[in-house]
Order: sequence, then structure tokens, then C-alpha cells
Amino acid sequence: EAQVTQNPRYLITVTGKKLTVTCSQNMNHEYMSWYRQDPGLGLRQIYYSMNVEVTDKGDVPEGYKVSRKEKRNFPLILESPSPNQTSLYFCASSILQGTDEQYFGPGTRLTVT
Amino acid sequence: GQQLNQSPQSMFIQEGEDVSMNCTSSSIFNTWLWYKQDPGEGPVLLIALYKAGELTSNGRLTAQFGITRKDSFLNISASIPSDVGIYFCAHARAQKLVFGQGTRLTINP
Repeated sequence: EAQVTQNPRYLITVTGKKLTVTCSQNMNHEYMSWYRQDPGLGLRQIYYSMNVEVTDKGDVPEGYKVSRKEKRNFPLILESPSPNQTSLYFCASSILQGTDEQYFGPGTRLTVT
Repeated sequence: GQQLNQSPQSMFIQEGEDVSMNCTSSSIFNTWLWYKQDPGEGPVLLIALYKAGELTSNGRLTAQFGITRKDSFLNISASIPSDVGIYFCAHARAQKLVFGQGTRLTINP
């Protein structure tokens, strides 16, 4: 089954404790992206990747890191999480570029206390 | 980053009613996308528009790319319970995807 998977689905952590949210897609897509969803703000793009070893900032990249060492994986790293990073995070992938249909993962709900 | 202005923010309607929502921006775009998010899931693409004036349908859904290229509309006819969710407009700026704030649709049976 073609899908985007994220782990963990739920995470509660404390300020400053490094964490990684994994994202994997099995559709051989070139483009992958991370979004955060907050009430009243919709989805905001954090980082995106056009291909292996090619990443770029979205609209809200501060406090996040990403890597794209393999085509299928695009982990989101929070080196020192803060409470304002409490949010619902989505990973997405598409065939070639951002305007192609993006397939979203199920989401990761992160709480930073 | 810039966000699109999507309205209304929420709608409460009766089953069977038609729904209309829109998205506007101060900038001109080449692409308008409409996504739907079911409760507890990630968004799913409904309709993509690539040309000013384009009118595209997907079942009971119809979307239009405004002539000015600064707005887009989504209409749902004869709503049913499974239409419940959050509808997002989006556009692509370079390779970045920018979403509106969303319209939350609630349907009373």
C-alpha cells in the first residue's frame, strides 16, 4: 500500500530534550516536506526537500533541522524543543515538486512542557 | 511567511445544503489547490487549478481559479455527513506550499 508513515504518532517531552520525528514514504517520491498545524493558522511549511541531499527552508524553519540521506526518509529534528513547538506535525511527499499532489502522513502530535 | 485569507473560518449547515468558501490573496498565483482534512487524518488533495478562469469539478465539488489570479472558490453541492472536516486552499510559491487558515465544516443531520 502506498503511504507516508510517521513515528511517533504522539510524543510528550520536556524543554531542551532533543527529539527526532521520523517520516518514510514508499512511493519513490522526489519531493518531501514537513508542516506544522496550529489552530487558526492552518498548515505552515517547515522544510522541504527536492531530492536526496537537497533541502530548503519553508516559512517557519527556526528551531528545526532536517536531513535527506535516503530518498524514502526525511526525519525532522528538534535539537532543543521549546513549548512554542507544541503542535501537530505532518510529513508529506509528492512525485516531483510541491505543486504535484502531496500525500500526507497521519500526523504527530507533539507536546513540549 | 504569507498566509492566504480563507473564509469563512467555520460553517454550520444542514445536511443537503450547498456550501461555498473562498480564498484570497494580495499576490498573483499560477496554481490553486484545495485540500480536505478529515478528523484525525492528514489532508488529501481534492482539486488542483492551474489556469486563470479554470472551473474544475470532482463529483459534488466544484472549484474555480479566479480571473484576477488572486482568488479561488470551492463549492460543495448537496452536502452529506462525510463532507465534515477542514478545507484548505493552498498555492505553490516556487517549491513552497502555502496554506490558508482553513474552513471547518460541520453538518447537522
